[in-house]
Amino acid sequence: KAGVTQTPRYLIKTRGQQVTLSCSPISGHRSVSWYQQTPGQGLQFLFEYFSETQRNKGNFPGRFSGRQFSNSRSEMNVSTLELGDSALYLCASSRQQGAQVGYTFGSGTRLTVV
Amino acid sequence: GESVGLHLPTLSVQEGDNSIINCAYSNSASDYFIWYKQESGKGPQFIIDIRSNMDKRQGQRVTVLLNKTVKHLSLQIAATQPGDSAVYFCAEKKAGTALIFGKGTTLSVSS
Repeated sequence: KAGVTQTPRYLIKTRGQQVTLSCSPISGHRSVSWYQQTPGQGLQFLFEYFSETQRNKGNFPGRFSGRQFSNSRSEMNVSTLELGDSALYLCASSRQQGAQVGYTFGSGTRLTVV
Repeated sequence: GESVGLHLPTLSVQEGDNSIINCAYSNSASDYFIWYKQESGKGPQFIIDIRSNMDKRQGQRVTVLLNKTVKHLSLQIAATQPGDSAVYFCAEKKAGTALIFGKGTTLSVSS
């Protein structure tokens, strides 16, 4: 079966712009989580969605937002980009929210802000 | 905030050796733990998990040990191969909350 699909794979944006990243979970998975990965901070949790509702949120500024659609696909948006937003953005899906189940990750979107 | 940390940022071993990667977690309420492997250019890949009501769990060439008394988690890889070279992350979770990751250990296997 198809894995978690993230698009685009690579993105270059200019400071001040906004960006939207997309994640399609594994078929049947209803929970989608987003993480930011940088060399200095590692994997940091952004937010988690289940049934189109944000269930958990990490410690990121309001410039970072997300949403989930009825087909479980999710998007995250970053407005007013800063150089420090350059990172690998990872999406993970699981069957349920909050349960003791493994998360399956996509390959990520590499965002570079210049 | 609460986080999961790893003891060593890098570990170098010879092919065929057994590798042990350690992790200390801080949230005693966490009830689920996972080890992930991340290769260059890819997302983290699930290796093995363990619930807090267990002390040990074995997979193919991998074993996870959980010591709740000292809040310590370890991943043992038997007969380490060059293909095992990657960054390894432990992650913790408690019911209803997000999966929280440690900073990772880079395993380098030389042949």
